[in-house]
Amino acid sequence: EDKVVQSPLSLVVHEGDTVTLNCSYEVTNFRSLLWYKQEKKAPTFLFMLTSSGIEKKSGRLSSILDKKELSSILNITATQTGDSAIYLCAVGGGADGLTFGKGTHLIIQP
Amino acid sequence: ETGVTQTPRHLVMGMTNKKSLKCEQHLGHNAMYWYKQSAKKPLELMFVYNFKEQTENNSVPSRFSPECPNSSHLFLHLHTLQPEDSALYLCASSLETGANVLTFGAGSRLTVL
Repeated sequence: EDKVVQSPLSLVVHEGDTVTLNCSYEVTNFRSLLWYKQEKKAPTFLFMLTSSGIEKKSGRLSSILDKKELSSILNITATQTGDSAIYLCAVGGGADGLTFGKGTHLIIQP
Repeated sequence: ETGVTQTPRHLVMGMTNKKSLKCEQHLGHNAMYWYKQSAKKPLELMFVYNFKEQTENNSVPSRFSPECPNSSHLFLHLHTLQPEDSALYLCASSLETGANVLTFGAGSRLTVL
């Protein structure tokens, strides 16, 4: 059975801090790892990673995949209150859908 | 608005009621999904449809009955639910099944009394 573990499950930091969110996985026939941000209801797509060692960036967010360690990190620099959300990690493998972790609940304090 | 629309946004029902959740996507995708999101649990994949054909049923109880009349519409028919079925039900779509990017709807918040 495919499995995704995220850490920490919750994190409180101050505005301006840098945070690193972790995701590890066990999946048959790994094809991709995805990060989503869920603020109110609908998770919104951030990154899809398929190759090890290639960093993807979007503004203050970046992510990288390590296939040898079966893990990925999501970095957010110079955090803002608008970054407060649940960050979901998911993997695509043998099943037709994605397997999700429990998410990291990130709170940015002013 | 993500291009995936779910109705109703909120639903309260008794254990003997029959109701349906509806999902519609305007993205030209061929695959549609139902996920269940409960507090402190990962999103749970329930059903997958590809070109209207069900390709995955993740051991979901028969009180949940999906219907996919075409690639743009997906329903989840609910009957004789239990209080533990209370959750956020998320619909998603993707270009095709596999490790594709899923686009989610805003969800239907279900409360079973």
